Amino acid sequence: DQQVKQNSPSLSVQEGRISILNCDYTNSMFDYFLWYKKYPAEGPTFLISISSIKDKNEDGRFTVFLNKSAKHLSLHIVPSQPGDSAVYFCAASRPGQGGKLIFGQGTELSVKP
Amino acid sequence: DTGVSQDPRHKITKRGQNVTFRCDPISEHNRLYWYRQTLGQGPEFLTYFQNEAQLEKSRLLSDRFSAERPKGSFSTLEIQRTEQGDSAMYLCASSFGTVRGTEAFFGQGTRLTVV
Repeated sequence: DQQVKQNSPSLSVQEGRISILNCDYTNSMFDYFLWYKKYPAEGPTFLISISSIKDKNEDGRFTVFLNKSAKHLSLHIVPSQPGDSAVYFCAASRPGQGGKLIFGQGTELSVKP
Repeated sequence: DTGVSQDPRHKITKRGQNVTFRCDPISEHNRLYWYRQTLGQGPEFLTYFQNEAQLEKSRLLSDRFSAERPKGSFSTLEIQRTEQGDSAMYLCASSFGTVRGTEAFFGQGTRLTVV
């Protein structure tokens, strides 16, 4: 079963505008959520994370929002830049599992100049 | 460069051959993970080590797969009698484990093609 889902395989945004990437999860035991960015032929690069005790975490142009009641998180990128074009994965972990990550399928973001 | 290092970056092998991949984690990290990624999917967990102890193995890890982390430093992942379905990107990650969640840092991966 897919415990972490990214239902949009792709997203296209104009440079300077906001990119919003969405992620849903089914397991209420997850307590830590992360976003990774991946360029072709490279490993995922950590972007930002959020603990389940928070509902928002911000780092520069990147903000992650967590809605526990809806089991939903989102990544906002403002303003979007062409260099942000990549595949974005959300991931989740639960206590007692050694930091094992469960990943979504990814969303390919394209930021057009 | 003090990031996670994987070797080789690419491996092409004939079906039935054995292959071995190496991962050198970030030196102060006590946890090391192996994931597998196929086209259009997110990385899937295979196994992880805390220091030298292998603490969990996914059911994806058939008995043809074995991983080791001698002395809690580098790790190797061996696939015996490779099959075409083993073709994938094999990713290694490491983290410094704490009570609450922590981010894992990934290497660049080893792309395996079984022909």
